[in-house]
Amino acid sequence: AQSVAQPEDQVNVAEGNPLTVKCTYSVSGNPYLFWYVQYPNRGLQFLLKYITGDNLVKGSYGFEAEFNKSQTSFHLKKPSALVSDSALYFCAVRDRGYSTLTFGKGTMLLVSP
Amino acid sequence: DAGVIQSPRHEVTEMGQEVTLRCKPISGHDYLFWYRQTMMRGLELLIYFNNNVPIDDSGMPEDRFSAKMPNASFSTLKIQPSEPRDSAVYFCASSLSPRQGPNYGYTFGSGTRLTVV
Repeated sequence: AQSVAQPEDQVNVAEGNPLTVKCTYSVSGNPYLFWYVQYPNRGLQFLLKYITGDNLVKGSYGFEAEFNKSQTSFHLKKPSALVSDSALYFCAVRDRGYSTLTFGKGTMLLVSP
Repeated sequence: DAGVIQSPRHEVTEMGQEVTLRCKPISGHDYLFWYRQTMMRGLELLIYFNNNVPIDDSGMPEDRFSAKMPNASFSTLKIQPSEPRDSAVYFCASSLSPRQGPNYGYTFGSGTRLTVV
C-alpha cells in the first residue's frame, strides 16, 4: 500500500521568511514524489517531482523539496515567501509498483504581508 | 496542447435533476481520473480509466453516479438524480502511463463547480 501524510492543516509565514510545508510518505518500494499547488478556483498545478538522483529537487516559482529516504519525507521549501504563494499545497506519492498517485489531504499556506 | 478541458465551469441545478460533467484529456494520455473536492472530505478519487476502460470505481459514492469514456478524447461523469450533498468541485485529470517513466504525473483540468439546490 502507499500513503502520504501532511501533518499540518495550515502553515502561516510572514512575507520574506522561509517556508516549509511538511510531507511524509509510506511505500513498499521506491517512491515517485510530487508536489502540486491549488490557487483559489483553480485546478491543481504541478510544482515539482522527485524520480531519482539528486535528493534536492527544484521546481516552479522558486520552490524546492528535499527527498529524505531515511525519514521518508519530502518537505516543500522556499527561502523567501511571497504573499502570492498563499494557496493549498498537496503532496502525492506513487510506489513504482502502482498505477496511480495517492494525494495527501493538503496544507493551506498563508503568507502575510 | 490546451491541457485538460472540463465543461461546464459552473453548474447550478435543482435536486432530482440529471447532471452531466464533461472532460477532454490531453491527447496521448492513457489514464483519466475523476476527483471530487469538498471542504469536509478534501480531494477524493471517484474513478479512473486506462485506455478507456474503467479500472477502479470504488470511490464512486453510490449508484446515482456513473462515468463513461467512449473514446480516448472524451469522458463524462453523470449524477442522476442529483442531491444537495453532491455539491462540490469535480476535477478531471489525465496522465501518461507510469510505464513511460519519469514524465508520469497528473495534469488537472480547471474543474466544474456543481451546486445542487
